Amino acid sequence: SQKIEQNSEALNIQEGKTATLTCNYTNYSPAYLQWYRQDPGRGPVFLLLIRENEKEKRKERLKVTFDTTLKQSLFHITASQPADSATYLCALALSTGGFKTIFGAGTRLFVKA
Amino acid sequence: DAGVIQSPRHEVTEMGQEVTLRCKPISGHDYLFWYRQTMMRGLELLIYFNNNVPIDDSGMPEDRFSAKMPNASFSTLKIQPSEPRDSAVYFCASRSGPGPGELFFGEGSRLTVL
Repeated sequence: SQKIEQNSEALNIQEGKTATLTCNYTNYSPAYLQWYRQDPGRGPVFLLLIRENEKEKRKERLKVTFDTTLKQSLFHITASQPADSATYLCALALSTGGFKTIFGAGTRLFVKA
Repeated sequence: DAGVIQSPRHEVTEMGQEVTLRCKPISGHDYLFWYRQTMMRGLELLIYFNNNVPIDDSGMPEDRFSAKMPNASFSTLKIQPSEPRDSAVYFCASRSGPGPGELFFGEGSRLTVL
């Protein structure tokens, strides 16, 4: 069956450390992978997009990797801050029907001061 | 720009009642997506449109659910009759162009069916 899996358990880290979140998928062949941030009571907000032929993408303190062999993406936040506390969702953009976009359930990140 | 606008923000209704959720996408965006979010199932894609035409409705859970997009600036998601298991947050998102770009989400409609 097709699945997108993200750590269901919350990730707790200390301020200043690097947070690493994982997204694994099964029986999909996404052309692109996206990461979103969601705060409580709000809609998701886009952070980054990475193509299947890109290994790594960076934006300020964020870094995303995409390994199509392992069917995995890693999302890193360096020098984490309490304001980074949120739920992070990965999304697969499938190359069908105008890039159908499907989401994992998300991982909750708590950064302690 | 005002962003994606959804209404109502909160809806509490009795089982068996009809529920209509509304969405106004960002002007100029030609793709519109409806998602449902619950703790158990995460963010599920229900249906999406391109230029007001449904492209994929395979995520619509049952015949009780229907969605329409009568014009480029308005879409509805209707549940009739509603059931307690339909309780969730329903999100609308829009996107410009056919590429895999950023989805812009509304703030969601929280539905509680008693």
